[in-house]
Amino acid sequence: ENVLTQSPAIMSASPGEKVTMTCRASSSVSSSYLHWYQQKSGASPKLWIYSTSNLASGVPARFSGSGSGTSYSLTISSVEAEDAATYYCQQYSGYPLTFGSGTKLEIK
Amino acid sequence: QVQLKESGPGLVAPSQSLSITCTISGFSLTSYGVHWVRQPPGKGLEWLVVIWSDGSTTYNSALKSRLSISKDNSKSQVFLKMNSLQTDDTAMYYCARHGLHDRYFDVWGAGTTVTVSS
Repeated sequence: ENVLTQSPAIMSASPGEKVTMTCRASSSVSSSYLHWYQQKSGASPKLWIYSTSNLASGVPARFSGSGSGTSYSLTISSVEAEDAATYYCQQYSGYPLTFGSGTKLEIK
Repeated sequence: QVQLKESGPGLVAPSQSLSITCTISGFSLTSYGVHWVRQPPGKGLEWLVVIWSDGSTTYNSALKSRLSISKDNSKSQVFLKMNSLQTDDTAMYYCARHGLHDRYFDVWGAGTTVTVSS
């Protein structure tokens, strides 16, 4: 099983700050199959970034993703209040499909 | 408009079985795969199983002995059955659509809560 470790578990940022969260895999993941989901409190997850760096429909351009192999990251260039959520990375390189444990972003 | 909607019993007694349904609209099960993912309260996401457009299946091996997935294309429904439920099976159960051209979950249902308790 490919274990995905996300850090930090919780982060707090002020509006306008740049933030970066990471996702590290225990085995290499094809960049085509590393994705990010946003989940707001009480809601279902939404596809946010697919294939490492492609923004899903409707995702603001302040979000970006990068990485390769076993190390990936999601960056928000200028955080806004609406970005408060938990972000999960997910790999689709092999079964079982696995998710990271999530990074909860809080806005100050 | 693409939608998935889960429905289930809400409360299940320990050792009993669970049956939940995902009813889809806006697309066809003959063209798309559908996954089940669960999330215990306050915890992360766990992938369970997928049923592909051709009816073939792929299970999470850790749960395979307790899971069964099927579908009815004509009714636009996907069915998940889980046996021998325990308290740690308490979770929100989501169905999610497999992306048509790539390997991700592109649309999720709102989820159905399952509580295992006597």
